[in-house]
Amino acid sequence: DAGVIQSPRHEVTEMGQEVTLRCKPISGHNSLFWYRQTMMRGLELLIYFNNNVPIDDSGMPEDRFSAKMPNASFSTLKIQPSEPRDSAVYFCASISPGVYEQFFGPGTRLTVL
Amino acid sequence: GNSVTQMEGPVTLSEEAFLTINCTYTATGYPSLFWYVQYPGEGLQLLLKATKADDKGSNKGFEATYRKETTSFHLEKGSVQVSDSAVYFCALSGAGSYQLTFGKGTKLSVIP
Repeated sequence: DAGVIQSPRHEVTEMGQEVTLRCKPISGHNSLFWYRQTMMRGLELLIYFNNNVPIDDSGMPEDRFSAKMPNASFSTLKIQPSEPRDSAVYFCASISPGVYEQFFGPGTRLTVL
Repeated sequence: GNSVTQMEGPVTLSEEAFLTINCTYTATGYPSLFWYVQYPGEGLQLLLKATKADDKGSNKGFEATYRKETTSFHLEKGSVQVSDSAVYFCALSGAGSYQLTFGKGTKLSVIP
């Protein structure tokens, strides 16, 4: 199994631009999580999907952030417009039904100039 | 709400030294407890877990015991190696929940 796949691995953009991060969970996993990791705030849960439905988006910092999961094998996290304070590593993780281990992707390192 | 507090790093040890990373938690009910490890440039990986009081999780020489009376889940290893250099995260999930609450992470550096 390829594991959780994220793209791109690195993204450098300018303030005000739209950024789209992508995630492919492990086949058969029915829950998906988006996290943000920074030195200052550590690892924060942004949003959690179960069976493609958003369950908890209370961690989404503001309206500039949106996430979708159109099917069981694909999710996106969009930031529009991006700001320098959005610079972070964004992780996607997925989990199998009845199992409590989250499998993390390698992350996308976002730099907003 | 749930919270996890772990000792701040960085921690620097010589090879073969004994490691302890402290972790305490606050949660209602009976959470499951986890240690995740993050190697440089990678995502987090599950290192070990314990799902009920007095359980001991173990993997790759690391151990942690779920202590409900002290609300703790300290990570230990008897003899660390250079390859153990990484960031270690303590985490919990509430009863019946898949959502994880993470500590801030502890960076471990092991020098030869």
